[in-house]
Amino acid sequence: DQQVKQNSPSLSVQEGRISILNCDYTNSMFDYFLWYKKYPAEGPTFLISISSIKDKNEDGRFTVFLNKSAKHLSLHIVPSQPGDSAVYFCAARDGSGTYKYIFGTGTRLKVLA
Amino acid sequence: DTGVSQNPRHKITKRGQNVTFRCDPISEHNRLYWYRQTLGQGPEFLTYFQNEAQLEKSRLLSDRFSAERPKGSFSTLEIQRTEQGDSAMYLCASSFAGGGEKLFFGSGTQLSVL
Repeated sequence: DQQVKQNSPSLSVQEGRISILNCDYTNSMFDYFLWYKKYPAEGPTFLISISSIKDKNEDGRFTVFLNKSAKHLSLHIVPSQPGDSAVYFCAARDGSGTYKYIFGTGTRLKVLA
Repeated sequence: DTGVSQNPRHKITKRGQNVTFRCDPISEHNRLYWYRQTLGQGPEFLTYFQNEAQLEKSRLLSDRFSAERPKGSFSTLEIQRTEQGDSAMYLCASSFAGGGEKLFFGSGTQLSVL
């Protein structure tokens, strides 16, 4: 069972425009949600996180929105830059005591110059 | 600040051989995780430790896989009698319990089983 889903395998955006990456989850026991960026042959790099008790967190060009009732979160990147081109993973931490992190399948973002 | 270190970066082995990977977490981190990633998929949880105790192990982890974290510092992941389906990127991550929710990943070990 896929508890964290990223339904868009890829996304292309023009430089300077907004990139919106989406993620859905099923487990109401998740207490933190995180976004990671990954380049080929490297480990994922932490971008931004949000607690389940908040609905928005912002860090520079990156903003994460959480809609608990819909079990949905999104990552907004404004303005998008060519260096943002990478695979983005949504992850959720199980707060029921295991502290296990579950990852989505990723969305490949391509920012066109 | 020396992040999470994984060795080797690449490993090519023949089917049936045993392999061992090492992970050195960030020094003050007491939680250590192992994940596996294949092409087109997200990191898949394998197991995690808090200090030296292995607290959870995925059902996906067959008896051929074993992980240890002696003394709560570095960790090793061993795969016995490797199969072609074991070919993947093996990722190690660490975090500090009580210090936040961020997981910090190493660069991974790419395993190819021929």
